[in-house]
Amino acid sequence: IVLTQSPGTLSLSPGERATLSCRASQNVFRNFLAWYQQKPGQAPRLLIYGASSRATGIPDRFSGSGSGTDFTLTISRLEPEDFAVYYCQQHGSSWTFGQGTKVEI
Amino acid sequence: EVQLVESGGGLVQPGGSLRLSCGASGFTFSMYWMSWVRQAPGKGLEWVANIKEDGSEKYYVDSVKGRFTISRDNAKNSLYLQTNSLRAEDTAVYYCVRYDSNGEGYFDNWGQGTLVTVSS
Repeated sequence: IVLTQSPGTLSLSPGERATLSCRASQNVFRNFLAWYQQKPGQAPRLLIYGASSRATGIPDRFSGSGSGTDFTLTISRLEPEDFAVYYCQQHGSSWTFGQGTKVEI
Repeated sequence: EVQLVESGGGLVQPGGSLRLSCGASGFTFSMYWMSWVRQAPGKGLEWVANIKEDGSEKYYVDSVKGRFTISRDNAKNSLYLQTNSLRAEDTAVYYCVRYDSNGEGYFDNWGQGTLVTVSS
């Protein structure tokens, strides 16, 4: 399964809403779709799993939605620490990541 | 607190080998699948390999099959990746990652990574 994320770059200001898209080339098995955040020089961090469940310690301004082939990560109000690259990832017959969306100021 | 600490990266010539190691602490290592995920410089993430709790099942991305071997030593709380016949395109930061215990296919804890550079 190929995951295509859009847009490639999202330019927003703190306090604004961010909407990131992840589209799969086939249905994602049981909606096993996760989202990760990566800041420069750091390892990725799990944000969302199962399309909509927040990982431990993740603020509730992060939310995931979608099913089948279309998934969305929403950050309701951007904080300065949210500017980063975001990846979606699926598990079906294998494990694949999208190419990433950079959220920049 | 879950901790994953990788080591063993470095500069290697094309065709060479490296053994990456990952020490795990803060959780019961023997109860989790484990994985390696890599990231080429300036690029996205690529899953490389998974290994079952007892080492009886292993899965690899097609591009490394026959060249890389994932293994583990539960007595030492350690994960390994033997990388052989290295190519320039294997240059990347290699992350040791804990796989979710619910079988839902996500990676819930990541190490800081070790850099492998394949160059002459």
